[in-house]
Amino acid sequence: EDQVTQSPEALRLQEGESSSLNCSYTVSGLRGLFWYRQDPGKGPEFLFTLYSAGEEKEKERLKATLTKKESLLHITAPKPEDSATYLCAVQAGGSNDYKLSFGAGTTVTVRA
Amino acid sequence: DAGVIQSPRHEVTEMGQEVTLRCKPISGHDYLFWYRQTMMRGLELLIYFNNNVPIDDSGMPEDRFSAKMPNASFSTLKIQPSEPRDSAVYFCASSSYLQGTEAFFGQGTRLTVV
Repeated sequence: EDQVTQSPEALRLQEGESSSLNCSYTVSGLRGLFWYRQDPGKGPEFLFTLYSAGEEKEKERLKATLTKKESLLHITAPKPEDSATYLCAVQAGGSNDYKLSFGAGTTVTVRA
Repeated sequence: DAGVIQSPRHEVTEMGQEVTLRCKPISGHDYLFWYRQTMMRGLELLIYFNNNVPIDDSGMPEDRFSAKMPNASFSTLKIQPSEPRDSAVYFCASSSYLQGTEAFFGQGTRLTVV
């Protein structure tokens, strides 16, 4: 069974204080690893897809990287508007299987 | 496109009543997913469809839960009878194999069973 573990559960940052979130995974043949952002009262919002070890993706202050066992989401010089819960999900490589298995998330709070 | 549309946004019902949640996926998407989110268990996949056909319903907790997708633009998740432990936020998401396999989520339905 696919397993996704995110750490830490919560992260409190001062504005401008860079940090990383971790997503460790166990999956039978990774098709893709996904990062989402979720604001309170809203649905998860898609950020990135990573497909193979060594791949990197960037969007504004966010940078995601992938190895064979984990993904890191680095937040550079965060701003209060980066406060959200960040969710990691994996998709296994079955021929017709496109479901996503999610981790519990990391709740990031950025103080001005 | 307006994205994935779910209705209602909030539902409060009494234990034992039937509840129907509705979802309109993004046009052209061929996969539709129903997830449930709680503080204790996070986001759990309940069931998903490919081209309107249920592929995996192993996450449906009990026979009280059922889902249908009569056409490419509409799906329902029904709970009958509802119980207080069904209280959660239910999300619908859709994706397209051809456009990339990431799923796009609706705003969710917050269900409270009293």
